[in-house]
Amino acid sequence: EPEVTQTPSHQVTQMGQEVILRCVPISNHLYFYWYRQILGQKVEFLVSFYNNEISEKSEIFDDQFSVERPDGSNFTLKIRSTKLEDSAMYFCASSVPPGAGNNQPQHFGDGTRLSIL
Amino acid sequence: AQKITQTQPGMFVQEKEAVTLDCTYDTSDPSYGLFWYKQPSSGEMIFLIYQGSYDQQNATEGRYSLNFQKARKSANLVISASQLGDSAMYFCAMSRYNNNDMRFGAGTRLTVKP
Repeated sequence: EPEVTQTPSHQVTQMGQEVILRCVPISNHLYFYWYRQILGQKVEFLVSFYNNEISEKSEIFDDQFSVERPDGSNFTLKIRSTKLEDSAMYFCASSVPPGAGNNQPQHFGDGTRLSIL
Repeated sequence: AQKITQTQPGMFVQEKEAVTLDCTYDTSDPSYGLFWYKQPSSGEMIFLIYQGSYDQQNATEGRYSLNFQKARKSANLVISASQLGDSAMYFCAMSRYNNNDMRFGAGTRLTVKP
């Protein structure tokens, strides 16, 4: 069964450094998402991406964050100047476009655990 | 604004018994989707079941069923014949009509006892 893949599985970075988290969505999916989950807390929406532009973003997704689809397969999340509070699990997800009046499930990758020192 | 509430931080169930995990939601959108995800201790998010706001029938997927009561704005997950491997965190989530901005509840930790 096709799946969303994320790399790396664990990233350790010094505070203030830039980090890029990578995702390969399922090949026929057109909607892409990033979520984060701080340890022991709920999953929080960051951003959605469709047709090469941001579709929605949450209040968490401030100027230090950016997303890109640099080629036909990868979808990346960049954090420009990391802070201690950016330590979390970051999930990428993808979905097919919604059907007539129906939403579609978002399929998640296994996540990248980001640790800021 | 959307809001998802899961009021049970933890639940216990005996193996082979059924269990219901509660989820209530609030939205002003006329069209929305409701989802349940399972997160084992290994951390991945596994999609379980989906219910569309206009679906007339309650969704079922194997041992999972979604008890959708639109007027009450509830979307409870029922797991029948619990197995030890069902022990995990379970998250209820809702997305808007255009599939963006999925909001999650705080989760319920289910423990299945042998």
